[in-house]
Amino acid sequence: EVQLVESGGGLVQPGRSLRLSCAASGFTFDDYAMHWVRQAPGKGLEWVSGISWNSGSIGYADSVKGRFTISRDNAKNSLYLQMNSLRAEDTALYYCAKDPRAVTHPLNWFDPWGQGTLVTVSS
Amino acid sequence: QSVLTQPPSASGTPGQRVTISCSGSSSNIGSNTVNWYQQLPGTAPKLLIYSNNQRPSGVPDRFSGSKSGTSASLAISGLQSEDEADYYCAAWDDSLNGPWVFGGGTKLTVL
Repeated sequence: EVQLVESGGGLVQPGRSLRLSCAASGFTFDDYAMHWVRQAPGKGLEWVSGISWNSGSIGYADSVKGRFTISRDNAKNSLYLQMNSLRAEDTALYYCAKDPRAVTHPLNWFDPWGQGTLVTVSS
Repeated sequence: QSVLTQPPSASGTPGQRVTISCSGSSSNIGSNTVNWYQQLPGTAPKLLIYSNNQRPSGVPDRFSGSKSGTSASLAISGLQSEDEADYYCAAWDDSLNGPWVFGGGTKLTVL
Protein backbone atom coordinates (compact mmCIF):
# COMPACT_ATOMS: atom_id res chain seq x y z
CA GLU A 1 0.00 0.00 0.00
CA VAL A 2 1.30 3.43 -0.95
CA GLN A 3 1.82 5.58 2.13
CA LEU A 4 2.98 9.15 2.61
CA VAL A 5 3.62 10.41 6.12
CA GLU A 6 4.46 14.05 6.72
CA SER A 7 6.22 15.40 9.78
CA GLY A 8 8.06 18.47 11.01
CA GLY A 9 5.19 20.91 11.42
CA GLY A 10 4.71 23.07 14.47
CA LEU A 11 4.45 26.58 15.84
CA VAL A 12 7.13 28.96 14.60
CA GLN A 13 7.65 32.70 14.85
CA PRO A 14 7.49 34.93 11.77
CA GLY A 15 10.82 35.14 10.01
CA ARG A 16 12.03 31.80 11.34
CA SER A 17 12.58 28.53 9.49
CA LEU A 18 11.09 25.05 9.50
CA ARG A 19 11.83 21.85 7.59
CA LEU A 20 9.07 19.46 6.64
CA SER A 21 9.61 15.81 5.76
CA CYS A 22 7.51 13.27 3.93
CA ALA A 23 8.35 9.59 4.32
CA ALA A 24 7.20 7.44 1.42
CA SER A 25 6.59 3.69 1.35
CA GLY A 26 4.82 1.09 -0.73
CA PHE A 27 6.22 2.20 -4.10
CA THR A 28 9.52 2.82 -5.85
CA PHE A 29 10.07 6.36 -4.66
CA ASP A 30 12.73 7.35 -7.19
CA ASP A 31 10.41 6.52 -10.11
CA TYR A 32 8.04 9.41 -9.38
CA ALA A 33 7.84 13.15 -9.10
CA MET A 34 6.50 14.51 -5.82
CA HIS A 35 4.69 17.65 -4.68
CA TRP A 36 3.81 19.77 -1.69
CA VAL A 37 0.29 21.21 -1.52
CA ARG A 38 -0.99 23.33 1.36
CA GLN A 39 -4.35 24.28 2.80
CA ALA A 40 -4.78 27.29 5.06
CA PRO A 41 -7.33 26.82 7.87
CA GLY A 42 -10.83 26.81 6.40
CA LYS A 43 -9.48 27.57 2.92
CA GLY A 44 -8.86 25.78 -0.35
CA LEU A 45 -5.87 23.95 -1.77
CA GLU A 46 -2.74 25.65 -3.06
CA TRP A 47 0.10 23.91 -4.89
CA VAL A 48 3.39 24.90 -3.29
CA SER A 49 6.19 23.04 -5.05
CA GLY A 50 7.06 19.99 -7.11
CA ILE A 51 10.20 18.01 -7.87
CA SER A 52 11.00 15.43 -10.53
CA TRP A 53 12.36 11.95 -9.80
CA ASN A 54 16.00 13.00 -10.03
CA SER A 55 15.60 16.58 -8.74
CA GLY A 56 16.38 17.82 -12.23
CA SER A 57 13.11 19.70 -12.59
CA ILE A 58 11.79 21.82 -9.72
CA GLY A 59 8.98 24.35 -9.56
CA TYR A 60 7.52 26.72 -6.98
CA ALA A 61 4.41 28.81 -6.56
CA ASP A 62 5.13 32.53 -6.75
CA SER A 63 3.97 32.88 -3.15
CA VAL A 64 6.92 30.83 -1.84
CA LYS A 65 9.59 31.33 -4.49
CA GLY A 66 12.88 32.43 -2.96
CA ARG A 67 11.84 31.36 0.54
CA PHE A 68 11.05 27.65 0.23
CA THR A 69 13.28 24.88 -1.12
CA ILE A 70 12.06 21.44 -2.10
CA SER A 71 14.41 18.48 -2.12
CA ARG A 72 14.39 14.72 -1.99
CA ASP A 73 16.63 11.89 -0.84
CA ASN A 74 15.83 8.84 -2.94
CA ALA A 75 18.06 6.63 -0.80
CA LYS A 76 15.87 7.49 2.19
CA ASN A 77 12.55 7.52 0.30
CA SER A 78 11.98 11.01 1.62
CA LEU A 79 10.75 14.37 0.38
CA TYR A 80 11.55 17.63 2.11
CA LEU A 81 10.44 21.24 2.19
CA GLN A 82 12.79 23.79 3.73
CA MET A 83 10.76 26.85 4.65
CA ASN A 84 12.63 30.07 5.44
CA SER A 85 11.45 33.60 6.25
CA LEU A 86 8.08 32.25 7.29
CA ARG A 87 5.08 34.56 7.28
CA ALA A 88 1.68 34.40 8.94
CA GLU A 89 0.14 33.62 5.56
CA ASP A 90 2.20 30.42 5.37
CA THR A 91 0.07 28.99 8.18
CA ALA A 92 -1.49 25.86 6.71
CA LEU A 93 -1.73 22.12 6.66
CA TYR A 94 1.03 20.92 4.33
CA TYR A 95 0.39 17.76 2.32
CA CYS A 96 2.84 15.79 0.24
CA ALA A 97 1.42 14.08 -2.81
CA LYS A 98 2.68 11.62 -5.40
CA ASP A 99 2.74 12.30 -9.13
CA PRO A 100 1.93 9.41 -11.51
CA ARG A 101 5.06 10.02 -13.59
CA ALA A 102 8.76 10.71 -13.09
CA VAL A 103 8.40 14.30 -14.24
CA THR A 104 5.35 16.43 -13.61
CA HIS A 105 3.34 17.14 -16.73
CA PRO A 106 0.10 18.92 -17.68
CA LEU A 107 -1.61 15.55 -18.06
CA ASN A 108 -0.72 14.40 -14.53
CA TRP A 109 -2.47 14.49 -11.17
CA PHE A 110 -1.81 13.99 -7.43
CA ASP A 111 -2.44 10.57 -5.93
CA PRO A 112 -2.24 9.69 -3.14
CA TRP A 113 -1.88 12.41 -0.53
CA GLY A 114 -0.44 12.17 2.94
CA GLN A 115 -2.41 13.14 6.02
CA GLY A 116 -0.64 16.51 6.31
CA THR A 117 1.46 18.33 8.89
CA LEU A 118 0.30 21.62 10.39
CA VAL A 119 2.51 24.68 10.27
CA THR A 120 1.46 27.67 12.36
CA VAL A 121 3.37 30.92 11.98
CA SER A 122 2.66 33.25 14.85
CA SER A 123 4.45 35.34 17.43
CA GLN B 1 -9.01 34.48 -5.41
CA SER B 2 -8.59 31.07 -7.08
CA VAL B 3 -7.58 30.77 -10.72
CA LEU B 4 -10.34 28.20 -11.32
CA THR B 5 -13.86 29.22 -10.31
CA GLN B 6 -16.22 26.87 -8.50
CA PRO B 7 -19.51 27.58 -6.73
CA PRO B 8 -18.83 27.70 -2.97
CA SER B 9 -21.70 25.36 -2.19
CA ALA B 10 -24.03 22.78 -3.67
CA SER B 11 -26.69 20.55 -2.20
CA GLY B 12 -29.02 17.70 -3.00
CA THR B 13 -31.16 15.04 -1.43
CA PRO B 14 -30.30 11.33 -1.34
CA GLY B 15 -30.73 9.74 -4.74
CA GLN B 16 -30.56 13.02 -6.63
CA ARG B 17 -28.04 13.99 -9.28
CA VAL B 18 -25.90 17.06 -8.62
CA THR B 19 -23.30 18.78 -10.73
CA ILE B 20 -20.42 21.02 -9.71
CA SER B 21 -18.91 23.38 -12.24
CA CYS B 22 -15.33 24.56 -12.64
CA SER B 23 -14.57 27.51 -14.89
CA GLY B 24 -11.13 28.44 -16.13
CA SER B 25 -9.42 29.94 -19.13
CA SER B 26 -7.57 29.00 -22.32
CA SER B 27 -4.29 28.68 -20.41
CA ASN B 28 -5.54 26.04 -18.00
CA ILE B 29 -8.74 24.08 -18.61
CA GLY B 30 -8.85 25.18 -22.24
CA SER B 31 -5.54 23.50 -23.04
CA ASN B 32 -5.03 20.86 -20.34
CA THR B 33 -6.87 18.09 -18.58
CA VAL B 34 -8.88 18.54 -15.39
CA ASN B 35 -8.66 16.54 -12.19
CA TRP B 36 -11.13 16.44 -9.31
CA TYR B 37 -10.40 15.77 -5.65
CA GLN B 38 -12.78 14.87 -2.84
CA GLN B 39 -12.01 15.95 0.71
CA LEU B 40 -14.16 14.34 3.34
CA PRO B 41 -14.42 16.26 6.63
CA GLY B 42 -11.18 16.14 8.58
CA THR B 43 -9.31 14.07 6.00
CA ALA B 44 -6.76 14.58 3.24
CA PRO B 45 -7.89 15.14 -0.34
CA LYS B 46 -8.42 12.05 -2.45
CA LEU B 47 -8.23 11.77 -6.24
CA LEU B 48 -11.76 11.36 -7.60
CA ILE B 49 -11.47 12.01 -11.35
CA TYR B 50 -8.35 12.41 -13.49
CA SER B 51 -7.80 13.34 -17.13
CA ASN B 52 -11.24 14.99 -17.35
CA ASN B 53 -13.33 11.84 -17.02
CA GLN B 54 -11.29 8.89 -15.74
CA ARG B 55 -12.09 7.24 -12.44
CA PRO B 56 -9.33 5.67 -10.33
CA SER B 57 -10.04 2.13 -9.25
CA GLY B 58 -12.35 2.09 -6.26
CA VAL B 59 -14.24 5.26 -7.16
CA PRO B 60 -17.91 4.43 -7.78
CA ASP B 61 -19.30 5.04 -11.25
CA ARG B 62 -21.80 7.43 -9.66
CA PHE B 63 -19.03 9.98 -10.08
CA SER B 64 -18.31 11.30 -13.57
CA GLY B 65 -16.39 14.18 -15.07
CA SER B 66 -16.60 16.12 -18.28
CA LYS B 67 -14.89 19.06 -19.95
CA SER B 68 -15.95 21.47 -22.66
CA GLY B 69 -13.87 24.41 -23.75
CA THR B 70 -12.67 26.29 -20.69
CA SER B 71 -15.09 24.66 -18.26
CA ALA B 72 -15.40 21.32 -16.55
CA SER B 73 -18.06 19.60 -14.49
CA LEU B 74 -18.28 16.90 -11.87
CA ALA B 75 -21.53 14.98 -11.71
CA ILE B 76 -22.64 12.80 -8.83
CA SER B 77 -25.65 10.61 -9.43
CA GLY B 78 -27.57 8.63 -6.82
CA LEU B 79 -26.37 11.02 -4.14
CA GLN B 80 -25.50 9.40 -0.81
CA SER B 81 -24.94 10.89 2.62
CA GLU B 82 -21.28 9.85 2.51
CA ASP B 83 -20.76 12.09 -0.51
CA GLU B 84 -20.97 15.12 1.75
CA ALA B 85 -17.53 16.66 1.30
CA ASP B 86 -15.53 19.44 -0.31
CA TYR B 87 -14.75 19.00 -3.99
CA TYR B 88 -11.86 20.68 -5.80
CA CYS B 89 -11.03 20.91 -9.48
CA ALA B 90 -7.42 21.33 -10.60
CA ALA B 91 -5.48 21.81 -13.81
CA TRP B 92 -2.07 22.78 -15.11
CA ASP B 93 -1.81 26.41 -16.11
CA ASP B 94 0.50 27.22 -19.01
CA SER B 95 0.80 30.91 -18.22
CA LEU B 96 1.63 30.96 -14.52
CA ASN B 97 4.94 30.35 -12.86
CA GLY B 98 3.37 27.92 -10.43
CA PRO B 99 1.92 25.42 -12.89
CA TRP B 100 -0.79 23.69 -10.88
CA VAL B 101 -3.94 25.65 -10.04
CA PHE B 102 -6.99 24.69 -8.03
CA GLY B 103 -10.56 25.85 -7.78
CA GLY B 104 -11.70 27.37 -4.52
CA GLY B 105 -13.66 24.26 -3.64
CA THR B 106 -17.35 23.40 -3.45
CA LYS B 107 -18.91 22.21 -0.23
CA LEU B 108 -21.53 19.59 -1.05
CA THR B 109 -24.30 19.14 1.48
CA VAL B 110 -26.60 16.13 1.38
CA LEU B 111 -29.93 17.28 2.78
